[in-house]
Amino acid sequence: SAVISQKPSRDICQRGTSLTIQCQVDSQVTMMFWYRQQPGQSLTLIATANQGSEATYESGFVIDKFPISRPNLTFSTLTVSNMSPEDSSIYLCSVGIGVSSYNEQFFGPGTRLTVL
Amino acid sequence: AQKITQTQPGMFVQEKEAVTLDCTYDTSDPSYGLFWYKQPSSGEMIFLIYQGSYDQQNATEGRYSLNFQKARKSANLVISASQLGDSAMYFCAMREPDNYGQNFVFGPGTRLSVLP
Repeated sequence: SAVISQKPSRDICQRGTSLTIQCQVDSQVTMMFWYRQQPGQSLTLIATANQGSEATYESGFVIDKFPISRPNLTFSTLTVSNMSPEDSSIYLCSVGIGVSSYNEQFFGPGTRLTVL
Repeated sequence: AQKITQTQPGMFVQEKEAVTLDCTYDTSDPSYGLFWYKQPSSGEMIFLIYQGSYDQQNATEGRYSLNFQKARKSANLVISASQLGDSAMYFCAMREPDNYGQNFVFGPGTRLSVLP
């Protein structure tokens, strides 16, 4: 298994500002993922973050709005830029563990973001 | 089109009874993985069980088992001997390869309430 921590656990931010969320894993992993869960909704994949390469974004998400860093195999950051109330969500990072990275997927505790 | 369908927005079960949460999926790729997660009110995503498309046997993990019917494209979660602590949202998810390595999609979720 993997132990994943996220900082901050929650934040309240003003419209137009940016917030950087950190994700730390207790072991080296190839692939890290960032998800958004809007209130009362399911999870939506934002992007996949591989160490040493640009993150790959899903449809509807762009790098200017959600820049991602992946400086090493245990750490990643997601920035939510120029925030609006529609960005209020839980943001979760996750990692794939297993022979193919398909076998198990573990999630961090999430960051609850409220934008006023 | 929905990749993952969970037709039960809410379910009730009596404590100590078994319950089945439905999940159907849509993919044309022969290689995929199916996951179930539990999300309690705290917001964390807890990995429950995984089924690979090539696995011959249904996956089991303690009180959780996955009723995998490949021809029908269904992957129902069975929870035996329900406990009050099982009350939570349950998400079915699928991973299939795409041009970037994989695509991970969640269903809309089922809210399970265990009654004393």
